[in-house]
Amino acid sequence: EVQLVESGGGLVQPGGSLRLSCAASGFTFSSYSMNWVRQAPGKGLEWVSYISSSSSTIYYADSVKGRFTISRDNAKNSLYLQMNSLRDEDTAVYYCARERNSGSYDRWGQGTLVTVSS
Amino acid sequence: EIVLTQSPDFQSVTPKEKVTITCRASQSIGSSLHWYQQKPDQSPKLLIKYASQSFSGVPSRFSGSGSGTDFTLTINSLEAEDAATYYCHQSSSLPFTFGPGTKVDIK
Repeated sequence: EVQLVESGGGLVQPGGSLRLSCAASGFTFSSYSMNWVRQAPGKGLEWVSYISSSSSTIYYADSVKGRFTISRDNAKNSLYLQMNSLRDEDTAVYYCARERNSGSYDRWGQGTLVTVSS
Repeated sequence: EIVLTQSPDFQSVTPKEKVTITCRASQSIGSSLHWYQQKPDQSPKLLIKYASQSFSGVPSRFSGSGSGTDFTLTINSLEAEDAATYYCHQSSSLPFTFGPGTKVDIK
């Protein structure tokens, strides 16, 4: 069974840092591109970042560029999101999502909540 | 940035009714448009990829159509379990974007 399990969320002060992890199982992780998508409380979905299967291609939303870093370890079947200089507006549930060749996201984790507040 | 607009924002529907949700892109995106269903306190689930291709395991009452800038998600014979928010998503160009969502409520 395909599983994506996020962890690492929590309460952090503005300007602080947090590292999210996404543990993948049930499929060949190294064959898939991955994404982070977030959802502020009561709001819609916002794409955050993309990483190709080999890490050769990485993209970010403008809202996080220069502050967030996506990475992966195919040997550990894990995806990461290093978040620095956190702002109130980064408060959201963060989902990792597996990408199909079509560009759609066919599997999502359960999400991890990041709260940025003083 | 490609902006996706959805209509309606909210729809209250009786079971067995047909539901039509539209998604309009601010510029042509070919068929790179996907639909997701998100129920309260759950993560999104893929329903339709490439505008009209049903994802594995999705009930046949869900269908998608359209290309270019105008797309439609149709739910034939709505069931109570279909109460959710539905999002469109474009993967044609960066930044990848989502529509604001359409909430479907069961009367």
